[in-house]
Amino acid sequence: AIRMTQSPSSLSASPGDRVTITCWASQGISSYLAWYQQQPGKAPKLLIYAGSTLRSGVPSRFSGSASGTDFTLTINYLQSEDFATYYCQQYYSNPWTFGQGTKVEIK
Amino acid sequence: EVHLLESGGGLVQPGGSLRLSCAASGFSFRSYAMSWVRQAPGKGLEWVASISTTAGVTYNADSVKGRFTISTDNSQSTLYLQMNSLRAEDSAVYYCAKGAVAGTSFDYFDYWGQGTLVTVSS
Repeated sequence: AIRMTQSPSSLSASPGDRVTITCWASQGISSYLAWYQQQPGKAPKLLIYAGSTLRSGVPSRFSGSASGTDFTLTINYLQSEDFATYYCQQYYSNPWTFGQGTKVEIK
Repeated sequence: EVHLLESGGGLVQPGGSLRLSCAASGFSFRSYAMSWVRQAPGKGLEWVASISTTAGVTYNADSVKGRFTISTDNSQSTLYLQMNSLRAEDSAVYYCAKGAVAGTSFDYFDYWGQGTLVTVSS
């Protein structure tokens, strides 16, 4: 199975900050990577797919990028509603695997 | 508008069985792969099983292989997860999730249900 490793596991930031979350795949997954946001007690929501394609309706302060097996989620101008846990997921091969999550907390 | 509504969760003893359902609406159910993803309390997301509703092909995580069966009733636009030989480590919120791209099995998930809680305990 492809292992997805996220870094950091958690971070503290202030509204207006720029935050970056990284996800490494243990082997090549092309651009078959998605990012999800999960608020406490809620279902995950899709933010980005194909490594860097923003889902329709998702604010443009969210962006994704890829370099080989390294993927990055960036949130510019952090808003109060962005404090949540973020997961990456590869859909290149079965079994589909998620990163362990990155919790973005208010500083 | 896409809606996914899970049901069937609850408290079950170790070794017991449970069937989860996910009623789907707002899209052509038979055109998209459907999946179950679970989340143990305070833990991350774990993919459990997927089904290609067009071809009926199923995929299961090793952790549930031989115990869980994913299926669909396309006439009712409903996804199921039959869970047998349940263990304490199967305790989690179970989400059904819709594949984003019609006609493909290897896919990300663009819509999720609200989840149903399964607790395996004596």
